[in-house]
Amino acid sequence: DSGVTQTPKHLITATGQRVTLRCSPRSGDLSVYWYQQSLDQGLQFLIQYYNGEERAKGNILERFSAQQFPDLHSELNLSSLELGDSALYFCASSPGLGAETNYGYTFGSGTRLTVV
Amino acid sequence: DAKTTQPTSMDCAEGRAANLPCNHSTISGNEYVYWYRQIHSQGPQYIIHGLKNNETNEMASLIITEDRKSSTLILPHATLRDTAVYYCIVRGHAGGTSYGKLTFGQGTILTVHP
Repeated sequence: DSGVTQTPKHLITATGQRVTLRCSPRSGDLSVYWYQQSLDQGLQFLIQYYNGEERAKGNILERFSAQQFPDLHSELNLSSLELGDSALYFCASSPGLGAETNYGYTFGSGTRLTVV
Repeated sequence: DAKTTQPTSMDCAEGRAANLPCNHSTISGNEYVYWYRQIHSQGPQYIIHGLKNNETNEMASLIITEDRKSSTLILPHATLRDTAVYYCIVRGHAGGTSYGKLTFGQGTILTVHP
């Protein structure tokens, strides 16, 4: 158990639908990062939140959005789902902004999204 | 962040040392080398990182060349459970807009066989 909790573990939904993925960071960590891993794209950074505020943005589609709540958990919302959105979605956390020098990030076990 | 080049795949016999190379010829002075691994669709796992000195922890050793243009991750006694994709990542720590993210390449698929 890495300390980063992602729910649900598996999700099957239809095209056009909307889903919400949830991530609870490791205790004490203020930053949450979201990554998408599909077979043809590898691990792609989507977005980072630090203490409730968006800090960095990657290749996140406009149909996707995220937020981090006061209790520091984060949600990734995916809407108007397409077949190509089928992927593993990982959340990671770190204590600060990501500039720490003494260790790396901690990843959760992911949510496998299948769009049919 | 500097780009990295890794071999697509490597094999290693169980019990032997696994040496995984990484080239990062465009690395700049404030950029660190990180290694992560991903075991079959699990979340990536942090292994080790360093700036210019060699580093060792309970999982592995990291050897960085003097010119910092390449590095080698060493798993001293590979086991079957070390079969995974190993990612070498170069990242700065000096702030800016990119230091918050890790940029993963394709990595090296390490297969440890009996």
